[in-house]
Parts: sequence; structure tokens; C-alpha cells
Amino acid sequence: EIVLTQSPVTLSLSPGERATLSCRASQRVSSSYLAWYQQKPGQAPRLLIYGASIRATGIPDRFSGSGSGTDFTLTISRLEPEDFAVYYCQQYGSSPFTFGPGTKVDIK
Amino acid sequence: QLQLQESGPGLVKPSETLSLTCTVSGDSISTSSYHWGWIRQPPGKGLEWIGSVYYSGSTDYNPSLKSRVTISVDTSKNQFSLKLTSVTAADTAVYYCARPRYGSGSYFFWGQGTLVNV
Repeated sequence: EIVLTQSPVTLSLSPGERATLSCRASQRVSSSYLAWYQQKPGQAPRLLIYGASIRATGIPDRFSGSGSGTDFTLTISRLEPEDFAVYYCQQYGSSPFTFGPGTKVDIK
Repeated sequence: QLQLQESGPGLVKPSETLSLTCTVSGDSISTSSYHWGWIRQPPGKGLEWIGSVYYSGSTDYNPSLKSRVTISVDTSKNQFSLKLTSVTAADTAVYYCARPRYGSGSYFFWGQGTLVNV
């Protein structure tokens, strides 16, 4: 099973700032099958990025993903008020699919 | 637009079986080339992939739950279901059904989730 580690646990930033979230895998994620989700309280997760760097339909271009192998990054170029949430990475290259523990982006 | 809706009891007694159904509208499971998934989230915690089912009935389960989980599909009702046996308090969670949009495994479409207390 591929274990995903996310850092930092919490990221305290102000609107307009840049957010950089990290996801590290215990083994290589095949074919860059790495996704990022945003989750707000009481809501289902929302897919932001799949294939490590491809934005899902309807996702603003301030969200970008990068990385390969075992190290992946989600970048939010300029935080909007609605971006303060918890972000999860997920690998779906090998079964069982696994999620990271999440990074909470909160308002500084 | 594809919609998913979970249904089932919100309270299950310890040692009993948790049974949930996901009703799909806006797509046909029988003609869909996607693997339909179940994911859960204990209160205040992260996400855990439970498993998935293809329209043919083939399944893939998380080994951590495999001995207790059955996921099945009913194409006539356009539904797929989750059964989890011998539940304990650790199985208390919001249970989501979901479907990919791009290939398999990254879930674009989600149900609203249903809280099951044990």
C-alpha cells in the first residue's frame, strides 16, 4: 500500500498570498496517477487536479499541480476567501487507492 | 448531469451489518465504463477508500476492510451497494459514493454523503 504524507499539517495565510502544499508518497506513483481534492466543512470533496497536473473541469487556473514519482505539489497562486479549506492528495495508480491525511489552509 | 445519492440507515448496532445504496441518475451503470466507488470519512478525520465496482460486477476492495466488505451493482435499478459486516464504533463515518470522470480512480462526481453511526 502506498502511504501518502502531506505537509504542512496547517498552513496559515492571508487572502492574496501563495499557498504551496506538499504530498509525498512512500513509493513511486505510477503514471502520475495523483489527484488533489478540496473539502469544506459539511461538503463532499471536490476534485481539483488529476494526473498530477491536469485541472478538472471548472477549476480556476490559480490552482496548479506538479510533480512526479514520489513528490507532488499543489499550488494556489493567489488565495481567494473561498479557498480556505482542507486539501487532500490521493494516489490511484495502485490498489488500494490511498489518501493523504490532509493540509488545512486557514486564514492568518 | 450525473447525480449520486446515498441511502440507508443512519444508525447500526455493533456487530451488525451496515448496508448502503447509491442511486445513480444522469448516467447508466450498465453502459458506463467507470468503476463506481465507496469512500468513507470518520468525523473530523481523513478519507478512506473502501472499494469499487464495475458494471460487470467485478470489484476491488481495500485490504484493510476486505474481509468485511461487499460491493455489488444492480443495473436494473441503476444502483450500487455497500455492505460492511461486524461493524464497530470505528466504522462510524460519513459514507460517500463516487464516480470518476477522467479514466478511473480520481473521483469527480460525489454523493452528498450519509452519516452512519455505530
